[in-house]
Amino acid sequence: DGGITQSPKYLFRKEGQNVTLSCEQNLNHDAMYWYRQDPGQGLRLIYYSQIVNDFQKGDIAEGYSVSREKKESFPLTVTSAQKNPTAFYLCASSIDIQETQYFGPGTRLLVL
Amino acid sequence: SQELEQSPQSLIVQEGKNLTINCTSSKTLYGLYWYKQKYGEGLIFLMMLQKGGEEKSHEKITAKLDEKKQQSSLHITASQPSHAGIYLCGADRDSAGGGSNYKLTFGKGTLLTVNP
Repeated sequence: DGGITQSPKYLFRKEGQNVTLSCEQNLNHDAMYWYRQDPGQGLRLIYYSQIVNDFQKGDIAEGYSVSREKKESFPLTVTSAQKNPTAFYLCASSIDIQETQYFGPGTRLLVL
Repeated sequence: SQELEQSPQSLIVQEGKNLTINCTSSKTLYGLYWYKQKYGEGLIFLMMLQKGGEEKSHEKITAKLDEKKQQSSLHITASQPSHAGIYLCGADRDSAGGGSNYKLTFGKGTLLTVNP
């Protein structure tokens, strides 16, 4: 089955802790994206990657970091510099930057 | 920056009724996407519209993009409980030089409840 997987489904972060959200796709897509969804605010773009070993900041990159060492994987690290990390995080991918984006099931991050 | 306004914010209908959700932009839409989301889950792609006047249908859902390419509507015929969820429109952003820069802006969503 081809698709996008995100893990874990729920993640808890303690104060001052970095946490990493996983996103994997087996669709052979070049482009991958991370979005943050907050109630009443819609989706906001954090980072995106057009191709392996390349990534660009989105609209709200502060406090986040990413890597794209493999085509299939685009992990997102929420650092301690992100003061308001509680949100629903969605990963997406597309064949290339111009094509339709398909989304994973999401990870909900909560702060203890 | 380009913003998408969705209306209504929420909608409650009786099963079997028709309904329409709108997505409006102040700027030309180069590509308009409709997604559906169940609470706490990912987005499911429904349809993509690109040309002015374009209309697409899938089962009981029809999406249209107006001739000016600034407004899209999503129409559901004979709604069912399975149609309940959050409907989001997303659009390719325009670049400074004209045309799309291929990053998406999303509306805030329309919450649809279908009562049996």
